[in-house]
Amino acid sequence: SAVISQKPSRDICQRGTSLTIQCQVDSQVTMMFWYRQQPGQSLTLIATANQGSEATYESGFVIDKFPISRPNLTFSTLTVSNMSPEDSSIYLCSVTWGKGYEQYFGPGTRLTVT
Amino acid sequence: AQTVTQSQPEMSVQEAETVTLSCTYDTSESDYYLFWYKQPPSRQMILVIRQEAYKQQNATENRFSVNFQKAAKSFSLKISDSQLGDAAMYFCAYRSDLYNTDKLIFGTGTRLQVFP
Repeated sequence: SAVISQKPSRDICQRGTSLTIQCQVDSQVTMMFWYRQQPGQSLTLIATANQGSEATYESGFVIDKFPISRPNLTFSTLTVSNMSPEDSSIYLCSVTWGKGYEQYFGPGTRLTVT
Repeated sequence: AQTVTQSQPEMSVQEAETVTLSCTYDTSESDYYLFWYKQPPSRQMILVIRQEAYKQQNATENRFSVNFQKAAKSFSLKISDSQLGDAAMYFCAYRSDLYNTDKLIFGTGTRLQVFP
Protein backbone atom coordinates (compact mmCIF):
# COMPACT_ATOMS: atom_id res chain seq x y z
CA SER A 1 0.00 0.00 0.00
CA ALA A 2 1.01 3.63 -0.34
CA VAL A 3 2.58 5.45 2.60
CA ILE A 4 0.90 8.78 3.26
CA SER A 5 2.09 11.56 5.53
CA GLN A 6 0.39 14.76 6.59
CA LYS A 7 1.67 17.99 8.04
CA PRO A 8 0.95 19.35 10.54
CA SER A 9 -0.34 16.53 12.71
CA ARG A 10 -2.25 19.05 14.80
CA ASP A 11 -2.63 22.76 15.20
CA ILE A 12 -4.52 25.30 17.25
CA CYS A 13 -5.52 28.35 15.25
CA GLN A 14 -7.32 31.58 15.90
CA ARG A 15 -10.63 32.47 14.35
CA GLY A 16 -10.28 34.27 11.03
CA THR A 17 -6.91 32.82 10.10
CA SER A 18 -6.07 30.16 7.50
CA LEU A 19 -4.18 26.88 7.74
CA THR A 20 -2.65 24.86 4.93
CA ILE A 21 -2.43 21.12 5.38
CA GLN A 22 0.04 19.11 3.32
CA CYS A 23 -0.37 15.54 2.11
CA GLN A 24 2.60 13.61 0.74
CA VAL A 25 2.46 10.14 -0.83
CA ASP A 26 5.46 7.90 -1.43
CA SER A 27 4.16 6.80 -4.84
CA GLN A 28 2.51 8.48 -7.79
CA VAL A 29 -1.25 8.35 -7.58
CA THR A 30 -3.95 9.72 -9.83
CA MET A 31 -6.63 10.63 -7.34
CA MET A 32 -6.26 12.18 -3.92
CA PHE A 33 -9.13 12.91 -1.60
CA TRP A 34 -9.68 15.24 1.31
CA TYR A 35 -12.09 14.31 4.10
CA ARG A 36 -13.34 16.07 7.18
CA GLN A 37 -14.17 14.24 10.37
CA GLN A 38 -15.93 16.42 12.90
CA PRO A 39 -15.64 15.43 16.57
CA GLY A 40 -17.29 12.08 17.18
CA GLN A 41 -18.60 11.93 13.63
CA SER A 42 -18.01 9.98 10.47
CA LEU A 43 -15.95 11.07 7.48
CA THR A 44 -17.32 13.48 4.92
CA LEU A 45 -15.64 13.98 1.57
CA ILE A 46 -14.63 17.58 0.92
CA ALA A 47 -13.18 17.24 -2.56
CA THR A 48 -11.35 15.05 -5.04
CA ALA A 49 -8.03 16.35 -6.34
CA ASN A 50 -6.67 15.17 -9.67
CA GLN A 51 -3.29 16.31 -10.87
CA GLY A 52 -3.52 18.90 -13.60
CA SER A 53 -7.15 19.80 -13.12
CA GLU A 54 -9.37 21.71 -10.75
CA ALA A 55 -10.51 19.89 -7.67
CA THR A 56 -14.07 18.59 -7.61
CA TYR A 57 -15.96 19.71 -4.53
CA GLU A 58 -18.81 17.93 -2.81
CA SER A 59 -22.06 19.60 -1.97
CA GLY A 60 -21.64 21.98 0.94
CA PHE A 61 -17.96 22.65 0.32
CA VAL A 62 -16.66 25.54 -1.78
CA ILE A 63 -13.31 26.42 -3.24
CA ASP A 64 -13.13 29.80 -1.52
CA LYS A 65 -13.31 28.12 1.87
CA PHE A 66 -11.25 25.02 1.07
CA PRO A 67 -8.83 25.76 -1.77
CA ILE A 68 -6.88 22.71 -2.89
CA SER A 69 -3.68 22.41 -4.84
CA ARG A 70 -2.36 19.33 -6.63
CA PRO A 71 0.93 20.30 -8.25
CA ASN A 72 2.12 16.76 -8.96
CA LEU A 73 1.24 13.09 -8.56
CA THR A 74 2.59 12.74 -5.02
CA PHE A 75 1.52 15.91 -3.25
CA SER A 76 -1.56 17.95 -2.40
CA THR A 77 -2.53 20.74 -0.04
CA LEU A 78 -5.82 21.71 1.54
CA THR A 79 -6.26 25.19 2.95
CA VAL A 80 -8.94 25.91 5.51
CA SER A 81 -9.64 29.62 5.08
CA ASN A 82 -11.12 32.23 7.39
CA MET A 83 -11.52 29.63 10.10
CA SER A 84 -14.28 29.53 12.68
CA PRO A 85 -14.73 27.16 15.65
CA GLU A 86 -17.04 25.07 13.46
CA ASP A 87 -14.01 24.13 11.37
CA SER A 88 -12.50 22.27 14.31
CA SER A 89 -12.15 18.76 12.92
CA ILE A 90 -9.73 16.12 11.81
CA TYR A 91 -8.78 16.53 8.17
CA LEU A 92 -7.62 13.43 6.35
CA CYS A 93 -6.21 12.88 2.92
CA SER A 94 -6.48 9.58 1.13
CA VAL A 95 -5.43 7.98 -2.14
CA THR A 96 -6.63 5.12 -4.22
CA TRP A 97 -4.13 2.37 -4.72
CA GLY A 98 -3.70 -0.90 -6.51
CA LYS A 99 -6.63 -1.66 -8.76
CA GLY A 100 -8.09 1.66 -7.70
CA TYR A 101 -10.89 0.56 -5.48
CA GLU A 102 -9.01 0.61 -2.19
CA GLN A 103 -8.39 3.86 -0.41
CA TYR A 104 -5.60 4.43 2.03
CA PHE A 105 -5.58 7.26 4.50
CA GLY A 106 -3.04 9.59 5.96
CA PRO A 107 -2.74 9.97 9.74
CA GLY A 108 -4.90 13.09 9.76
CA THR A 109 -4.50 16.67 10.95
CA ARG A 110 -6.35 17.63 14.10
CA LEU A 111 -7.40 21.26 13.85
CA THR A 112 -8.75 23.26 16.77
CA VAL A 113 -10.04 26.77 16.13
CA THR A 114 -10.36 29.08 19.10
CA ALA B 1 -28.09 8.56 -3.72
CA GLN B 2 -26.35 5.82 -1.85
CA THR B 3 -26.48 5.67 1.91
CA VAL B 4 -24.71 3.55 4.51
CA THR B 5 -26.23 2.83 7.91
CA GLN B 6 -24.56 1.46 11.00
CA SER B 7 -27.22 1.01 13.64
CA GLN B 8 -24.92 0.11 16.52
CA PRO B 9 -23.17 3.20 17.92
CA GLU B 10 -21.32 1.06 20.45
CA MET B 11 -20.52 -2.60 20.93
CA SER B 12 -18.46 -4.46 23.47
CA VAL B 13 -16.87 -7.88 23.53
CA GLN B 14 -14.81 -9.97 25.88
CA GLU B 15 -11.29 -10.77 24.82
CA ALA B 16 -11.11 -14.02 22.78
CA GLU B 17 -14.85 -13.89 22.03
CA THR B 18 -16.56 -13.15 18.71
CA VAL B 19 -18.44 -9.98 17.84
CA THR B 20 -20.44 -8.95 14.78
CA LEU B 21 -20.84 -5.37 13.63
CA SER B 22 -23.80 -4.54 11.40
CA CYS B 23 -23.94 -2.43 8.27
CA THR B 24 -26.74 -1.91 5.77
CA TYR B 25 -26.67 0.19 2.65
CA ASP B 26 -29.04 1.49 0.07
CA THR B 27 -28.25 1.59 -3.62
CA SER B 28 -29.87 0.98 -6.96
CA GLU B 29 -26.57 -0.12 -8.48
CA SER B 30 -25.51 -3.70 -9.08
CA ASP B 31 -21.76 -3.14 -9.21
CA TYR B 32 -20.00 -1.67 -6.20
CA TYR B 33 -17.47 -2.32 -3.47
CA LEU B 34 -17.90 -2.44 0.27
CA PHE B 35 -15.25 -1.87 2.89
CA TRP B 36 -14.70 -1.98 6.60
CA TYR B 37 -12.23 0.51 8.05
CA LYS B 38 -10.83 0.61 11.56
CA GLN B 39 -9.90 3.85 13.27
CA PRO B 40 -8.03 3.38 16.56
CA PRO B 41 -7.71 6.27 19.01
CA SER B 42 -4.54 7.27 17.16
CA ARG B 43 -6.99 8.14 14.33
CA GLN B 44 -5.13 6.41 11.46
CA MET B 45 -7.78 4.84 9.26
CA ILE B 46 -6.87 1.26 8.43
CA LEU B 47 -8.51 -0.83 5.74
CA VAL B 48 -9.71 -4.06 7.35
CA ILE B 49 -11.47 -5.88 4.56
CA ARG B 50 -13.16 -5.33 1.21
CA GLN B 51 -15.91 -7.09 -0.70
CA GLU B 52 -16.72 -6.86 -4.40
CA ALA B 53 -20.45 -6.98 -5.00
CA TYR B 54 -20.09 -9.37 -7.94
CA LYS B 55 -18.45 -11.98 -5.73
CA GLN B 56 -20.75 -14.33 -3.90
CA GLN B 57 -18.02 -15.61 -1.63
CA ASN B 58 -17.63 -13.70 1.60
CA ALA B 59 -14.26 -12.03 2.09
CA THR B 60 -11.99 -13.17 4.90
CA GLU B 61 -8.80 -11.63 6.31
CA ASN B 62 -7.39 -13.65 9.18
CA ARG B 63 -9.73 -13.08 12.16
CA PHE B 64 -11.98 -10.74 10.18
CA SER B 65 -14.74 -11.97 7.92
CA VAL B 66 -17.85 -10.51 6.39
CA ASN B 67 -21.36 -11.73 5.81
CA PHE B 68 -22.39 -10.11 2.54
CA GLN B 69 -26.07 -10.42 1.70
CA LYS B 70 -26.53 -8.56 -1.58
CA ALA B 71 -30.28 -8.95 -1.82
CA ALA B 72 -30.75 -7.72 1.72
CA LYS B 73 -28.10 -5.00 1.21
CA SER B 74 -26.36 -6.10 4.35
CA PHE B 75 -22.62 -6.23 5.03
CA SER B 76 -21.71 -7.27 8.56
CA LEU B 77 -18.20 -7.68 9.97
CA LYS B 78 -17.34 -10.58 12.24
CA ILE B 79 -14.28 -10.38 14.44
CA SER B 80 -13.22 -13.71 15.87
CA ASP B 81 -10.93 -14.25 18.84
CA SER B 82 -11.17 -10.56 19.73
CA GLN B 83 -8.02 -8.88 20.98
CA LEU B 84 -7.49 -5.74 23.02
CA GLY B 85 -5.96 -4.13 19.93
CA ASP B 86 -9.26 -4.50 18.10
CA ALA B 87 -10.74 -1.70 20.20
CA ALA B 88 -11.49 1.12 17.78
CA MET B 89 -14.14 2.85 15.72
CA TYR B 90 -15.23 0.73 12.79
CA PHE B 91 -16.65 2.34 9.69
CA CYS B 92 -18.49 0.64 6.88
CA ALA B 93 -18.02 2.28 3.46
CA TYR B 94 -19.50 2.02 -0.03
CA ARG B 95 -17.91 2.74 -3.39
CA SER B 96 -19.77 2.77 -6.67
CA ASP B 97 -18.25 0.99 -9.64
CA LEU B 98 -20.40 2.71 -12.23
CA TYR B 99 -18.95 6.19 -12.34
CA ASN B 100 -15.52 7.67 -12.82
CA THR B 101 -15.04 8.29 -9.14
CA ASP B 102 -13.45 6.51 -6.22
CA LYS B 103 -15.59 8.39 -3.73
CA LEU B 104 -16.33 6.52 -0.51
CA ILE B 105 -19.57 6.92 1.39
CA PHE B 106 -19.15 6.15 5.06
CA GLY B 107 -21.54 5.02 7.75
CA THR B 108 -21.63 6.72 11.12
CA GLY B 109 -19.37 4.17 12.75
CA THR B 110 -19.49 1.66 15.60
CA ARG B 111 -17.26 2.04 18.61
CA LEU B 112 -15.98 -1.36 19.70
CA GLN B 113 -14.73 -1.90 23.24
CA VAL B 114 -12.80 -5.02 24.11
CA PHE B 115 -12.69 -6.11 27.74
CA PRO B 116 -9.99 -8.36 29.19
